[in-house]
Amino acid sequence: KQEVTQIPAALSVPEGENLVLNCSFTDSAIYNLQWFRQDPGKGLTSLLLIQSSQREQTSGRLNASLDKSSGRSTLYIAASQPGDSATYLCAVKSDYGGSQGNLIFGKGTKLSVKP
Amino acid sequence: DTAVSQTPKYLVTQMGNDKSIKCEQNLGHDTMYWYKQDSKKFLKIMFSYNNKELIINETVPNRFSPKSPDKAHLNLHINSLELGDSAVYFCASSQDGGATRHGYTFGSGTRLTVV
Repeated sequence: KQEVTQIPAALSVPEGENLVLNCSFTDSAIYNLQWFRQDPGKGLTSLLLIQSSQREQTSGRLNASLDKSSGRSTLYIAASQPGDSATYLCAVKSDYGGSQGNLIFGKGTKLSVKP
Repeated sequence: DTAVSQTPKYLVTQMGNDKSIKCEQNLGHDTMYWYKQDSKKFLKIMFSYNNKELIINETVPNRFSPKSPDKAHLNLHINSLELGDSAVYFCASSQDGGATRHGYTFGSGTRLTVV
């Protein structure tokens, strides 16, 4: 059974810092991994998606890496801004049938960037 | 031009009532989903559905039932609502089960409160 873990659960940094959010998954049989952002009381916004054959994806100040064999992904945020404050969710599309073949989420990292 | 839209955004109802949440996607995706986000913010799959197959997470009570009038809609009907059903419900869609480069697209959520 696929399980996704995100560390840390919460992170507070001053504005301008570079930071790394970690995600690990127990089974490397995945199709892809997707990072989302969730603002309080809002829905999920897709940030980056990495296919299992890829090593990284970049979008603006965000860079996501994937090491499938070790079951790890990182989301790197450069030059953090207060507007980056949100909960960041890592989700894995597993290579299983049934309900476990759907997107499996971690519990998220709540990021606070202080001015 | 909202991609995945849910209605209502908020729903407050009494225990024992029956309610429905509607979801529509205009992305032409072939698969739709319902996720539940509990009070601890953990997102868990409830159903996935395409025109061929309904996959139900075994932990979902049979008071919950998805109804799909067509490929672009997947509504969630809940019978005999209980206090523990209070949560945020997210609809999502994907193409080819989420294995493509576009991944999953989520709606903005419906906050259900049972009193």
